[in-house]
Amino acid sequence: DAGVIQSPRHEVTEMGQEVTLRCKPISGHDYLFWYRQTMMRGLELLIYFNNNVPIDDSGMPEDRFSAKMPNASFSTLKIQPSEPRDSAVYFCASSPRTGSSGNTIYFGEGSWLTVV
Amino acid sequence: GNSVTQMEGPVTLSEEAFLTINCTYTATGYPSLFWYVQYPGEGLQLLLKATKADDKGSNKGFEATYRKETTSFHLEKGSVQVSDSAVYFCALSPSGGYQKVTFGIGTKLQVIP
Repeated sequence: DAGVIQSPRHEVTEMGQEVTLRCKPISGHDYLFWYRQTMMRGLELLIYFNNNVPIDDSGMPEDRFSAKMPNASFSTLKIQPSEPRDSAVYFCASSPRTGSSGNTIYFGEGSWLTVV
Repeated sequence: GNSVTQMEGPVTLSEEAFLTINCTYTATGYPSLFWYVQYPGEGLQLLLKATKADDKGSNKGFEATYRKETTSFHLEKGSVQVSDSAVYFCALSPSGGYQKVTFGIGTKLQVIP
């Protein structure tokens, strides 16, 4: 089965440019998450969706960041304008509906962003 | 609020050594507990989990037991291999419907031949 698919895998961009990261969750999963990982802050939850609806975006660092989920099979995380401190690995992840076995989260391989 | 505390690394072991990575948690009710592993250049993947007290999760020679009395979920392996070198994350998921999963800071393990 296909896992969570992210693109691009690597992105190098100049400060001030717009960056769009894309994600295709696992088919049938109801939850989608965007995480950011850095050496300094570790793994941070930015936002998550349930059935395409944003539920909690309290982790989004500032207005430069936005996320959308227009349908069950696609989501984007956009940074506009980008800054060097946004350099990080951005993970998309998905999870099936809550069940008795706990909320196992399935991660993509990440998008490695460098802003110069 | 919910929190997960795990030992900071890096942890360096020789091949075939015994591994313990400590994890304790704070949460109300009966959360589910997880260990995730991240190999270099990859995303996190589930290693094992336990959903109720006294359950033991196991996978690939790793084990962890859900201890309600000590609020702990320590990861152990009897004999590590070089291929186990990775970052290990302890995590909890609250009980009673979906809520945010809380991850620990991650512990880097390096196994040397």
